[in-house]
Amino acid sequence: IDLTQSPDTLSLSPGERATLSCRASRSVTSIYVAWYQQKSGQAPRLLIYGASSRATGIPDRFSGSGSGTDFTLTISRLEPEDSAVYYCQQYGSSITFGQGTRLEIK
Amino acid sequence: QVQLVQSGAEVKKPGASVKLSCKTSGYTFTSYYVDWVRQAPGQGPEWMGLINPRGGNPSYAPKFKGRVTMTWDTSTATVYMELNSLTSEDTAVYYCARDRGNSDRFDYWGQGTLVTVSS
Repeated sequence: IDLTQSPDTLSLSPGERATLSCRASRSVTSIYVAWYQQKSGQAPRLLIYGASSRATGIPDRFSGSGSGTDFTLTISRLEPEDSAVYYCQQYGSSITFGQGTRLEIK
Repeated sequence: QVQLVQSGAEVKKPGASVKLSCKTSGYTFTSYYVDWVRQAPGQGPEWMGLINPRGGNPSYAPKFKGRVTMTWDTSTATVYMELNSLTSEDTAVYYCARDRGNSDRFDYWGQGTLVTVSS
């Protein structure tokens, strides 16, 4: 299953809301979709699993939604520390990742 | 606390092999699968395969079958990944990650090992 993320880059100001999209080439059971945050030089960090469940320690500013082929990560009340690349992952049919969305905080 | 600590950076020539290690701690080693994921410069992560520390054959992504071998040592809670016949396309950061199930989400990651393949 191929995952296509959009946009490639998103530039927003602190306090705004970011909406990141992940589209699958065929339907994925939502319980098998995750989102990760990766800061420069670091390993990815799990944010969301099961499409909408927050991982341990992740603030409620991060939320996930979606079903079928379309999934969304929403980050509300953006903070400077949210600058990173965000990846979606599906693990319903083998494991694949999207190509990432770079989020820049102005 | 859960930790996965990987071996250091490697520089290899085309055609060579590389063997990386991932030492786990802070949890019961046999209770979780461990996967290997690589990330080429500027690219998204790519899943390579996984091992079940309780036993059984590793599961490899089709792209790497025949070229990768994943093993483990329960006595030291360490997982290994060997990749053969390296080309420049294998230049990447290689991560090990704890798998919450069997091909599931990854809740803890190693710090990554940079492998550079260059003549």
